[in-house]
Amino acid sequence: GQQVQQSPASLVLQEGENAELQCNFSSTATQLQWFYQSPGGSLVSLLSNPSGTKHTGRLTSTTVTKERRSSLHISSSQTTDSGTYLCAIDYNQGKLIFGQGTKLSIKP
Amino acid sequence: EAGVTQSPRYAVLQEGQAVSFWCDPISGHDTLYWYQQPRDQGPQLLVYFRDEAVIDNSQLPSDRFSAVRPKGTNSTLKIQSAKQGDTATYLCASSPGRNTEVFFGKGTRLTVV
Repeated sequence: GQQVQQSPASLVLQEGENAELQCNFSSTATQLQWFYQSPGGSLVSLLSNPSGTKHTGRLTSTTVTKERRSSLHISSSQTTDSGTYLCAIDYNQGKLIFGQGTKLSIKP
Repeated sequence: EAGVTQSPRYAVLQEGQAVSFWCDPISGHDTLYWYQQPRDQGPQLLVYFRDEAVIDNSQLPSDRFSAVRPKGTNSTLKIQSAKQGDTATYLCASSPGRNTEVFFGKGTRLTVV
């Protein structure tokens, strides 16, 4: 079936280091969104990026459609970046399918 | 602009009780989604509407769950006879159309004991 695979499942970094999160999908995506969720918190949309490269603040997302993968790069990480990052794909069905997320922990 | 509004924020039920969740999407958004997010998992779609029509409810446990959006604006998700396995956060989301950005509410955290 149509899946969304995220890696790594968890990542621990020191403050100031860069984080690289990966999302792989199983067929053509017509929409791709990256979300952030704090522990017990709500889903916050970070970037909508079905193709190409997009930047916002310290975040950069690059989606290579032909290779069915997307990455989220967080530069100069901060302790407040800790939480779960979720990738979600629309396979032209009008609905988002989520991966299981990457749990990011930034140590001071 | 107001975001997606959900109520209540929390609910605690005994098994067998019923509960309703309410969602007010962003004004002008024709598509409304209900997701279930068990603890430490990604959200899973239960049902979604375009205007008042159900587009996909294939993952909605129809024996105990129901969802309506009668005027194509607000929506209600109801669980009859809740089970412990229904313990999760229920998220409502909306978007202005196909292949557009989807915005989520803060969710309702349900605990069934």
